[in-house]
Amino acid sequence: DADVTQTPRNRITKTGKRIMLECSQTKGHDRMYWYRQDPGLGLRLIYYSFDVKDINKGEISDGYSVSRQAQAKFSLSLESAIPNQTALYFCATSDPRTLNYGYTFGSGTRLTVV
Amino acid sequence: RKEVEQDPGPFNVPEGATVAFNCTYSNSASQSFFWYRQDCRKEPKLLMSVYSSGNEDGRFTAQLNRASQYISLLIRDSKLSDSATYLCVVYLNQGGKLIFGQGTELSVKP
Repeated sequence: DADVTQTPRNRITKTGKRIMLECSQTKGHDRMYWYRQDPGLGLRLIYYSFDVKDINKGEISDGYSVSRQAQAKFSLSLESAIPNQTALYFCATSDPRTLNYGYTFGSGTRLTVV
Repeated sequence: RKEVEQDPGPFNVPEGATVAFNCTYSNSASQSFFWYRQDCRKEPKLLMSVYSSGNEDGRFTAQLNRASQYISLLIRDSKLSDSATYLCVVYLNQGGKLIFGQGTELSVKP
């Protein structure tokens, strides 16, 4: 099994629908992140969490919310999906005590909003 | 201004060529620096860290100039398998997060 698992891998949804992207990890890391990637824009940080009781906004949090249900689980929700939220979404974990901060990415969720 | 800016791509080079990527960052408090590689729409993977003294890993050489806030990656003797997008990444200790450049696409042709 992958260290960081994202579900679903692909999703097509309609404008206005609520959708949840899920992320679970077996790394035992406290820190978890949600990024989105658009062509030509690299990865941009949506939300991050340093432990179960800690949630922080990233640079593009508008239109998104998150829930850290446990150390191993970090979910991203789009309350009312819109077409410009069509993107590739990555979840990541890290441990700042390890070499290179131990960043591990999930395989991504490709979301299309029609 | 973007916090991390890279050369616009794509770079199309023949096998065996040497190619250099450049990157600048705006936050002087940036703590650590990396190059990540991303294959087509897959997750980014760490290629190498970047140190002020310069560091080399086989055909790859990375360099950091803190005074100029400039990072580079040199790939020698390019292989077809080097074709990918290369992401310049800085780690901000304040906030504990990675900031990504927009990526530079490399295509190595036979």
